Amino acid sequence: GAVVSQHPSRVICKSGTSVKIECRSLDFQATTMFWYRQFPKQSLMLMATSNEGSKATYEQGVEKDKFLINHASLTLSTLTVTSAHPEDSSFYICSARSLSYEQYFGPGTRLTVT
Amino acid sequence: GENVEQHPSTLSVQEGDSAVIKCTYSDSASNYFPWYKQELGKGPQLIIDIRSNVGEKKDQRIAVTLNKTAKHFSLHITETQPEDSAVYFCAASPINNNDMRFGAGTRLTVKP
Repeated sequence: GAVVSQHPSRVICKSGTSVKIECRSLDFQATTMFWYRQFPKQSLMLMATSNEGSKATYEQGVEKDKFLINHASLTLSTLTVTSAHPEDSSFYICSARSLSYEQYFGPGTRLTVT
Repeated sequence: GENVEQHPSTLSVQEGDSAVIKCTYSDSASNYFPWYKQELGKGPQLIIDIRSNVGEKKDQRIAVTLNKTAKHFSLHITETQPEDSAVYFCAASPINNNDMRFGAGTRLTVKP
């Protein structure tokens, strides 16, 4: 089956620092990847859509200068949280869309900003 | 844009019983309807999906039904087991765009 990996699974950083999260589709090519944020006991909140080789499309209210997304290849997208603050602490999940349109999710990254 | 509503928000069943989760959507252009299972601390896992050209799809103990006229679709889990306990999300989107919208989720608890 289609597998999407995310790294790291957990990260703790200090306020003001930047954190990079990687999302990889391991056994399929994904022209489109998505980044979500999930608060406890809530649904998935789409942050941005990234297409390979082009700029990401951000959802309303998501600061593109704070959440930098790069989709450099058909199997890798990265999310960088810049100048992190405690309110950025959350569960970040990526997903990748296959050519047959199924969307597969990564295992998520728990970010804690102290 | 698409709006997906999901009911119930919580569901508790006895092991062996069936569980049904229902979703409605608003955009008649939506033609792809996946269901995801999310266990605590993990990412959502695609468990079954249905496209608008069929009304029902089954995979072992899991089935999904779709009523395009009424704009609703449902997940049916038969012979539930404790390991089915998780949060389930429905979603809907037109198949050729990026606008997939998720329901709020249903927390299913299967009591042994």
